Amino acid sequence: DIRMTQSPASLSASLGETVNIECLASEDIYSDLAWYQQKPGKSPQLLIYNANSLQNGVPSRFSGSGSGTQYSLKINSLQSEDVATYFCQQYNNYPLTFGSGTKLEIK
Amino acid sequence: EVQLVESGGGLVQPGRSLKLSCAASGFTFSNYGMAWVRQTPTKGLEWVASISTGGGNTYYRDSVKGRFTISRDNAKNTQYLQMDSLRSEDTATYYCARRTPFLDAWGQGASVTVSS
Repeated sequence: DIRMTQSPASLSASLGETVNIECLASEDIYSDLAWYQQKPGKSPQLLIYNANSLQNGVPSRFSGSGSGTQYSLKINSLQSEDVATYFCQQYNNYPLTFGSGTKLEIK
Repeated sequence: EVQLVESGGGLVQPGRSLKLSCAASGFTFSNYGMAWVRQTPTKGLEWVASISTGGGNTYYRDSVKGRFTISRDNAKNTQYLQMDSLRSEDTATYYCARRTPFLDAWGQGASVTVSS
């Protein structure tokens, strides 16, 4: 199974700041990487797919990058509505696997 | 608008069965692969099973192989997860998701509790 190691586990930042979340795959996943946002009490929502493609309707302050085994999610100009837990997920191979999540809070 | 609505969750004793349903609307169901993903506070998000557009190909995580069966009825725009021989470790919120091959739409989730 491909292990997805996500960091940090939690993050506190101020409004307007830029934050980065990292995801390391245990083997090359050829950019088959998605990022999801899960707000408290809600289901996950797709933000980014194919490592760097923005899902329709997602604000442009979200961006993804990376290749091979290393990927990152960047959130520019942090807004209060960005408080959530963020997950990465690889879909290069079964079983599909997720990172353990990054809980983002506002300082 | 794409909608996925799960039903069938509940409290069940260990060793018993439960069947989840996921009713889809707002898109051509038969054109998309589908999946089930579960979530617990301790294990996080876990993919459970996937099914191809026509239902001919199915995939499972090892821990549910032989106990869970994913299926779909394209005429009813519905996918299912038959869960047999349930264990306490199957306790989770189960999400239905559309697979493209990432998971671009999710249901609201169905809670499954396995306990005596």
